[in-house]
Amino acid sequence: SYVLNQPPSLSVAPGQTATITCGGNDIGSKLVHWSQQRPGQAPILVVYDDFDRPSGIPERFSGANSGNAATLTISRVEAGDEADYYCQVWDLETAHVVFGGGTKLTVL
Amino acid sequence: EVQLVESGGGLVKPGGSLRLSCAASGFSFGNYSINWVRQSPGKGLEWVSSIDSGSRYIYYADSVKGRFIISRDNARNSVSLQLNRLRVEDTAIYYCVGCITGEGGYFDPWGQGTLVTVSS
Repeated sequence: SYVLNQPPSLSVAPGQTATITCGGNDIGSKLVHWSQQRPGQAPILVVYDDFDRPSGIPERFSGANSGNAATLTISRVEAGDEADYYCQVWDLETAHVVFGGGTKLTVL
Repeated sequence: EVQLVESGGGLVKPGGSLRLSCAASGFSFGNYSINWVRQSPGKGLEWVSSIDSGSRYIYYADSVKGRFIISRDNARNSVSLQLNRLRVEDTAIYYCVGCITGEGGYFDPWGQGTLVTVSS
């Protein structure tokens, strides 16, 4: 089965840039979506189709995808960005949706 | 307002059954595939099942295949997930999630979730 690897945690100071990676075999050939889950809340979509942003999501959130890694970059990090972030793809071979294990972003 | 509202969660004994429902409003429900995603306490997201807009394509995670059944009623803007032969490890918050683009598409909107607890 297809596996997505994310670092369990990342700490960043306010105003700095956070880059969260999502590794998977030839993930660059798939569409990657990212969701944010703040403590005690349901997830929300923050980046879809590798790099597009839903309406209402700040331009500080950006995505990229190539080769064996996709990335979610959050520029000028704010306290409100503290959350768990999950990458997601569709595995055509198994017809399954696959989530990464999640990355807990801590704003120092 | 775009909304998905889950209901039907609760406490059930191992081996028991439960039926979750998801009511949609504020968007063209019939154009969306619907997924169920669960989250065990303190853990990450796990996809459970999906059903396309016309109920032709239905998929299940290996961990629930043969035990859970997904269905939808477009006339009532609702989706159900029948949970059978429940196990302790099925304990989780179950989220109902919409997907406009079908297979490979992004998940939006998400419901607020309903908690299922399997315990003796």
